[in-house]
Amino acid sequence: DVKVTQSSRYLVKRTGEKVFLECVQDMDHENMFWYRQDPGLGLRLIYFSYDVKMKEKGDIPEGYSVSREKKERFSLILESASTNQTSMYLCASSLISAQGRTEAFFGQGTRLTVV
Amino acid sequence: GENVEQHPSTLSVQEGDSAVIKCTYSDSASNYFPWYKQELGKRPQLIIDIRSNVGEKKDQRIAVTLNKTAKHFSLHITETQPEDSAVYFCAASGASNYQLIWGAGTKLIIKP
Repeated sequence: DVKVTQSSRYLVKRTGEKVFLECVQDMDHENMFWYRQDPGLGLRLIYFSYDVKMKEKGDIPEGYSVSREKKERFSLILESASTNQTSMYLCASSLISAQGRTEAFFGQGTRLTVV
Repeated sequence: GENVEQHPSTLSVQEGDSAVIKCTYSDSASNYFPWYKQELGKRPQLIIDIRSNVGEKKDQRIAVTLNKTAKHFSLHITETQPEDSAVYFCAASGASNYQLIWGAGTKLIIKP
């Protein structure tokens, strides 16, 4: 079974704090993603990485950065947390199968509240 | 860039009836279309997918159809049960195959 594990299930941080969200996958997947999920807005891509030390901006990268120093770990960093970053954050990893299927495996999510 | 639209945003059906969720995509190069189910408080999980060389795929009570010409695909759930209540997401493969472009989600409510 593929396991994608996020370091925290719930997090409460103060405005202006630097916040680290960690994600680890155990299936040697090349691709990893960070999404935020808000009611009515679905899954919005923040950043993704297709290799170690490689990163690409998604649709809403402002206010976030990422780090991928090791293949299994993808970190999301909120440089200076703001209340509009209160959300559910989902990490995912994926592989492309020989049949061309791109299955994404998600972590359990981190509900971040910025006060 | 690629865009995926999903309708409706909320769908309420009587237990035992069928439910249909529709998605349209913009990039004709997309060739892979998965559907994910997210139960309350849980992570999204793949339930069925289809590739562009196939028009329909079935797995017990769920089926997905694809119309490449019209660039739309649909999820069909027959004989709905309470455990089908969840948020369903469609997605389409992006310009780079490792990326999926997601629909906004449909909240399916099964009424007893």
